[in-house]
Amino acid sequence: NAGVTQTPKFQVLKTGQSMTLQCAQDMNHNSMYWYRQDPGMGLRLIYYSASEGTTDKGEVPNGYNVSRLNKREFSLRLESAAPSQTSVYFCASSEGQGGLEAFFGQGTRLTVV
Amino acid sequence: QKEVEQNSGPLSVPEGAIASLNCTYSDRGSQSFFWYRQYSGKSPELIMFIYSNGDKEDGRFTAQLNKASQYVSLLIRDSQPSDSATYLCAVNHSGGKLQFGAGTQVVVTP
Repeated sequence: NAGVTQTPKFQVLKTGQSMTLQCAQDMNHNSMYWYRQDPGMGLRLIYYSASEGTTDKGEVPNGYNVSRLNKREFSLRLESAAPSQTSVYFCASSEGQGGLEAFFGQGTRLTVV
Repeated sequence: QKEVEQNSGPLSVPEGAIASLNCTYSDRGSQSFFWYRQYSGKSPELIMFIYSNGDKEDGRFTAQLNKASQYVSLLIRDSQPSDSATYLCAVNHSGGKLQFGAGTQVVVTP
């Protein structure tokens, strides 16, 4: 049972490049989340998906897009990376709409130069 | 903007003592509350959740919730060096968004 799997674990991008962070969960959870974590800022919600086919903006959605491809997969896309997007990105999933335990992936450390 | 506030610390606690962590939240419609522990370079992991006013105990951990005061706390009894980590308070706001505080760093000193 893998839980929540994120790829890649590390990535370096040049300013203006695009990339997609992948996330998959095998727990049959309805809700999935993307967070970013910066020093001293805790986890900030970028986007979330309460169920397959729905997505909603979180606290810091600007510069990102998401796709809930199916119940298992929730991807995060940076269309034109900026140095301000240098961060650690976490994907998480939970059975309900935040009311139950959220399980986290191992994180993606992204550096934009 | 719905907020979850925590003291950033570091909170220095002697080994064997009680660590007390506090969290306040702004959305009165919030229904569920979580405490996550995060070791440096690792993912957050759940240690406690609480839905009802009052205390909830699990081993050395006690979560306390006061919805009227919009306040949730975590007590760690008999603190051990392995408890040294950042503790994140998380709140499920009305609407289903799970929002985190900035975290409190706890350092347990031998």
